[in-house]
Amino acid sequence: NAGVMQNPRHLVRRRGQEARLRCSPMKGHSHVYWYRQLPEEGLKFMVYLQKENIIDESGMPKERFSAEFPKEGPSILRIQQVVRGDSAAYFCASSLRPGGYGYTFGSGTRLTVV
Amino acid sequence: AQKVTQAQTEISVVEKEDVTLDCVYETRDTTYYLFWYKQPPSGELVFLIRRNSFDEQNEISGRYSWNFQKSTSSFNFTITASQVVDSAVYFCALSEAKGGSEKLVFGKGTKLTVNP
Repeated sequence: NAGVMQNPRHLVRRRGQEARLRCSPMKGHSHVYWYRQLPEEGLKFMVYLQKENIIDESGMPKERFSAEFPKEGPSILRIQQVVRGDSAAYFCASSLRPGGYGYTFGSGTRLTVV
Repeated sequence: AQKVTQAQTEISVVEKEDVTLDCVYETRDTTYYLFWYKQPPSGELVFLIRRNSFDEQNEISGRYSWNFQKSTSSFNFTITASQVVDSAVYFCALSEAKGGSEKLVFGKGTKLTVNP
């Protein structure tokens, strides 16, 4: 029973390129959350999605960032025109249902913008 | 707004010492959940415990124990007889459940170093 799978583990992008981060939730989990961890900081909530719906995007930067969780396939966090300040670890979590039940994190994607 | 404070930025102990990591939270919700996660040097987040606001019983799991006190809004974590493998950053988190969202609010973490 695989856990939350994130890929790639490491991603290097030049300034101005696009970054696509993928998250496959645990089997049966339909709730997906994305968090960002800046250096020397705790994790900050970005967005909460259920299948095909964005429920809460209050932590998403207003520009260049978007997220989706299609009916089929993984959730995608997309960062357009990356800048150095986007360098961080991005974690995805999934849960079976609201209330924090089975809230499980993936291993994260470490994005480096050069 | 909800907030989690981990006042200890870094702690260094010698193996076999006991160590307590502090966590203080703020919330206006009557129903909430508290979590502890471990982030070893490899970077992944390891779930340690989830506690709901109605259960103030202390919990023990092997060398780990948690003390939840609503009166002081604290959820402290103690490692007994620490080991080098316990070296990691530990995060306390609070779930915020408003408007259908279930996001976690994290503290900034406490970096624990256990020296041989």
